[in-house]
Amino acid sequence: EVQLVESGGGLVQPGGSLRLSCVGYGFIFSEPYMDWVRQAPGKGLEWVGRIRNKGNSYITDYAASVKGRFTISRDDSKNSVYLHMNSLKTEDTAVYYCARVVSIALDYWGQGTLVTVSS
Amino acid sequence: EIVLTQSPATLSLSPGERATLSCRASQSVSNYLAWYQQRPGQAPRLLIYDASNRATGVPARFSGSGSGTDFTLTIDSLEPEDFAVYYCHQRSSWPPVTFGQGTRLEI
Repeated sequence: EVQLVESGGGLVQPGGSLRLSCVGYGFIFSEPYMDWVRQAPGKGLEWVGRIRNKGNSYITDYAASVKGRFTISRDDSKNSVYLHMNSLKTEDTAVYYCARVVSIALDYWGQGTLVTVSS
Repeated sequence: EIVLTQSPATLSLSPGERATLSCRASQSVSNYLAWYQQRPGQAPRLLIYDASNRATGVPARFSGSGSGTDFTLTIDSLEPEDFAVYYCHQRSSWPPVTFGQGTRLEI
């Protein structure tokens, strides 16, 4: 069974940093691209960024709202993808989901981890 | 950036009725459009991909149609568990990946 499990969320002050992790189970982790998507309280889905696979040189893409502050990386030997968040703002408060990207869509999502940016 | 506009924002129906949700793209996305369901407190779940294909395990009462810029998600004979928020998503042109703002289906 395919499963994605995020961790690392919590309370952080504005300007601070946090690293989220997502571990994948039940599939060949090195194959698909992986996305991070966030959802602010009571709001819709906002794409954060994507990391491609080794065959595509682990190229990353980001939403304009996080570019230069957030970095996505992956360690296929640990079946893990990471979201490194720096210079956090209050508007980054959200539940952060990782999702598996296949040719058709984002077919599996984790349960999400809550990041709260507040003083 | 391709903007997806969903309508209506909220749809109020009763169990057993048919729901029709719309998603309009700011430019053609061919048939590269997906629909997701999100129940309260849960992660999104893929329902429909490539405009009209049901994902694994999705009941037959869910169907999708459309191409180009106009798409529809139809839910026949609503069940209590269908009352949720629905999002469309395009994979035609990225970055950025874009989602619609969502349609809340309420009882």
